[in-house]
Amino acid sequence: EVQLLESGGGLVQPGGSLRLSCAASGFTFSSYAMSWVRQAPGKGLEWVSAISGSGGSTYYADSVKGRFTISRDNSKNTLYLQMNSLRAEDTAVYYCAKDPSTVTIPYWYFDLWGRGTLVTVSS
Amino acid sequence: QSALTQPRSVSGSPGQSVTISCTGTSSDVGGYNYVSWYQQHPGKAPKLMIYDVSKRPSGVPDRFSGSKSGNTASLTISGLQAEDEADYYCCSYAGSYTLGVVFGGGTKLTVL
Repeated sequence: EVQLLESGGGLVQPGGSLRLSCAASGFTFSSYAMSWVRQAPGKGLEWVSAISGSGGSTYYADSVKGRFTISRDNSKNTLYLQMNSLRAEDTAVYYCAKDPSTVTIPYWYFDLWGRGTLVTVSS
Repeated sequence: QSALTQPRSVSGSPGQSVTISCTGTSSDVGGYNYVSWYQQHPGKAPKLMIYDVSKRPSGVPDRFSGSKSGNTASLTISGLQAEDEADYYCCSYAGSYTLGVVFGGGTKLTVL
């Protein structure tokens, strides 16, 4: 079955760090660009970061640039998001999403989504 | 990046058609044919409904269609069904300088 499964969310204090993981199955993970998209409680979707299939190209929203790092381990079919210097406004459900691009540049739409993992930043 | 502008809510009766607008700028919606639309039911993950302005993924009913004019994209749902009640988000590539995408604020569709 083609699916994405996020993990690693939880409660963290402001200024703290957290690493999210997204395990992919049912497709050739290394061939596709991937993204993280978040949704604050009761709010809309916000794109966070993207990475090419090889991992050689990465992209970030201005709101997380310098604090978050996206990476992937194609041998483990897993996508990661390292989140540092967390703020209250980073509180959200974080989704990993598959981009159909098999070339270096993403196609910038998302044809498969995980169920999300909740990150709460609070003291 | 500024969020794209969508109406907060739209409604329609079963069998009717509704259109959801998504307004951006010449730097995103107007500048590229990279607009996508997502359906999200409460507590669920988003689902791709339209990509590249007007293309439908396999499995999406042809009742869903997309279009664009200038800086405004639109999603039209014809023959409304109860299961279409959900939140809908538009999304656009934000340009070669900004990179990444920008989403709309979302539209709640109510089937009366």
